Amino acid sequence: AQTVTQSQPEMSVQEAETVTLSCTYDTSESDYYLFWYKQPPSRQMILVIRQEAYKQQNATENRFSVNFQKAAKSFSLKISDSQLGDAAMYFCAYRSYYSNAGNMLTFGGGTRLMVKP
Amino acid sequence: ETGVTQSPTHLIKTRGQQVTLRCSSQSGHNTVSWYQQALGQGPQFIFQYYREEENGRGNFPPRFSGLQFPNYSSELNVNALELDDSALYLCASSYGVETQYFGPGTRLLVL
Repeated sequence: AQTVTQSQPEMSVQEAETVTLSCTYDTSESDYYLFWYKQPPSRQMILVIRQEAYKQQNATENRFSVNFQKAAKSFSLKISDSQLGDAAMYFCAYRSYYSNAGNMLTFGGGTRLMVKP
Repeated sequence: ETGVTQSPTHLIKTRGQQVTLRCSSQSGHNTVSWYQQALGQGPQFIFQYYREEENGRGNFPPRFSGLQFPNYSSELNVNALELDDSALYLCASSYGVETQYFGPGTRLLVL
């Protein structure tokens, strides 16, 4: 079974600065997807970024980018030019590539990001 | 395009009761997954429905059951509620195994 670990329960960043959230995972599969989701106080889980394991290029979405290290099973999220609206819980999630696993996401325990004005 | 919606927003039940939570999937999506998120934790996968059939289940007992309807909306039913069932229940929809999009959740409190 796959596991996802987020070792930073809380992180803090100054507005306009850059912060990196860490995620490691354990799997015996070679093909899979990794995600970062954001959960603000409104509770709705919002997709931030997605990475396919077979792609060597790191995914980017505007101010958000990842550092995907497949051999190290590491998947960190970098937020540049942090904004007050970035304050939320961030969850790293794993999904198997194979359809017989359905569409099940395995989540880490989350990192609470605080943004200081 | 309508996003994923869930009802009710909040619910209070007593131990031993039964509860039904509802989810309307995003337009064009045919797959619904349900997750349980205890306070301060990441979501845990309960089960998934694809074309009205359950096609994946996490480590949850049979008293957690579900349905998917022809319009791809879904229900989560929990029988014999226990105190530990208190959590945020999240529904997510997708087109097959594509990226999942989440609803706002239903907060269930069992007293």
